Parts: sequence; structure tokens; C-alpha cells
Amino acid sequence: QKEVEQDPGPLSVPEGAIVSLNCTYSNSAFQYFMWYRQYSRKGPELLMYTYSSGNKEDGRFTAQVDKSSKYISLFIRDSQPSDSATYLCAMSLDNYGQNFVFGPGTRLSVLP
Amino acid sequence: DSGVTQTPKHLITATGQRVTLRCSPRSGDLSVYWYQQSLDQGLQFLIQYYNGEERAKGNILERFSAQQFPDLHSELNLSSLELGDSALYFCASSVTETGTSGYTFGSGTRLTVV
Repeated sequence: QKEVEQDPGPLSVPEGAIVSLNCTYSNSAFQYFMWYRQYSRKGPELLMYTYSSGNKEDGRFTAQVDKSSKYISLFIRDSQPSDSATYLCAMSLDNYGQNFVFGPGTRLSVLP
Repeated sequence: DSGVTQTPKHLITATGQRVTLRCSPRSGDLSVYWYQQSLDQGLQFLIQYYNGEERAKGNILERFSAQQFPDLHSELNLSSLELGDSALYFCASSVTETGTSGYTFGSGTRLTVV
């Protein structure tokens, strides 16, 4: 079992839909959780950064962490074609970058 | 533009050769991380430098080495290249040593070994 798992997709949704992207993980000691967006031929870009459990909202994006289920989610409201990208989750025991474990990514397509 | 500059963008080379990838961190960032991204492995941490000193090593092969120079740019050297080394190589930078609140990635160097 991989330490962090994501459905690779591709996930195709119509413009305006609510998108749910998920990661499961095996290490219950993870405390820091991140979501990155990666456009084709670009580096990952940090979207959300949360510590421990709970929700965090930023514009159309909401990150949820459920540590009891070892499950994190990223919701995108009113999805736009510009949201088409690969979404990577990452997590860590501590706040040291070298310990971030990345998921393989989910490819999202938002169709106009 | 993220502020992290990587050169070259693309590199095609033969097996057994040696290449150098370059990274200039975002202005003010002291920490540089190198990652390898391949289709089957995802993003794998290779090595981190902070203000010129090596801080952490991940799954970096002995054939690979890196350094960070006084002007804070970093180079990743890959030698005795094999077909399996074909991947995207990213560097990322952060202000702090720990990468608190995440860090900023460059656009990567796509290495193809033929």
C-alpha cells in the first residue's frame, strides 16, 4: 500500500460543477496537509495548507481533513475551464519540506 | 511566473552522459529543494540545501549530486545517465529552512535520456 493514494482520473466535469478531489493516507501521524495544482508543463502551485483536522476555505476552494478516517478532500465550487489541471495532495508529519509526501495526482478536466 | 527559474527547460541526452540542471530560487528564499517527477513515481524528494549547506537527503541516487552556491542558485548534477532517469526535475524554494506553509516550485526541466 502506498503511503498516499489518489485516484489518477481523469475526472471530467461540466463548467459550474462542484468538484471533489480526495486523498487517503496510511500514516496516522501526518499533521500537515497541502493541495497543489499543476498545470501542464508547469511546476506545482500551492493552493491550500492546513494543519490537523477541520476545514479551510479560500475563495472557491475548500480543504477538509478527516484524520480519524485518514482522508482529505479538496472541493472546488463553480468550477471553471481554467481549473483544468492535475491536483496533488501532500502531507507531512512535521513542517519540514523534505518530509512532504506527495500523492500521484488527479487529472481534472472542466469542460465549457 | 513563480519567481523560481530553472534551466534548461528541455534536455535530451544519451545514456552514460552527464548533465547539469540549474535553479535560481525566488528572491529572498534561502532554501532549495530538488524533486524528480515521473509518471509512475509521482513527486520524489531528492535533496535540500539551505543557505549553501546540505540539509536533507531523500531518494537521491549516488550518481546524482547537487550543490548550492553563495549566490543561492543551485545545480543538480546527474551522471552515468540511464533510460530510467528520464523525468521532470523540479526545484522549489522557500524562505525558511523548514518549508513552512509550503514552497514555490519552478517550471521544471524535462530530461529525456535516449
